[in-house]
Amino acid sequence: DTGVSQNPRHKITKRGQNVTFRCDPISEHNRLYWYRQTLGQGPEFLTYFQNEAQLEKSRLLSDRFSAERPKGSFSTLEIQRTEQGDSAMYLCASSPIPTSTVPEQYFGPGTRLTVT
Amino acid sequence: AQSVTQLDSHVSVSEGTPVLLRCNYSSSYSPSLFWYVQHPNKGLQLLLKYTSAATLVKGINGFEAEFKKSETSFHLTKPSAHMSDAAEYFCVVSQEGRRALTFGSGTRLQVQP
Repeated sequence: DTGVSQNPRHKITKRGQNVTFRCDPISEHNRLYWYRQTLGQGPEFLTYFQNEAQLEKSRLLSDRFSAERPKGSFSTLEIQRTEQGDSAMYLCASSPIPTSTVPEQYFGPGTRLTVT
Repeated sequence: AQSVTQLDSHVSVSEGTPVLLRCNYSSSYSPSLFWYVQHPNKGLQLLLKYTSAATLVKGINGFEAEFKKSETSFHLTKPSAHMSDAAEYFCVVSQEGRRALTFGSGTRLQVQP
């Protein structure tokens, strides 16, 4: 399977703990995105990488959130001191650098986080 | 600023009847528009995209959408619903120069036998 993969698929943690999620994009894609989706809502943009550079961050990305893509391949999203409001599906997507049009983003299956 | 409004949170149709999922967009510049589908426990899948070429866009699984600039709409249609079409559908907008996609709140499509 050559699609976007995310691990773990499910994570249950207690309030105050730190969690880290991993995303492996499609291998030839230079761009990588993180989104958050809460129940009954559409995904909301969190951050974007082109290769290893983090080029855009949403205001949703509080200082408890940090994302990295150290070698321009896989990415990690860490949430420190989790809160119940962090409970959501965290989605990763990747896309190639466009030639002439906005490229579509290919999404992974997501990591569902539950904070108790 | 860019945004999309999906006019119906739930749509229910009978198998074999037409599907219409409505979407209005707001964008300062020429937008790119997409429809994604999300089946339970599966990732988001691209159905189709509009990028200022033909205004009638054909996608996968018999879906199509028409870009109407005068009405700022991008409604999704399918002539005949199938049980496997039951899912959550998202209308999405992106502007050139911005990398983030802006999603609507979704329309849940139910298909009755």
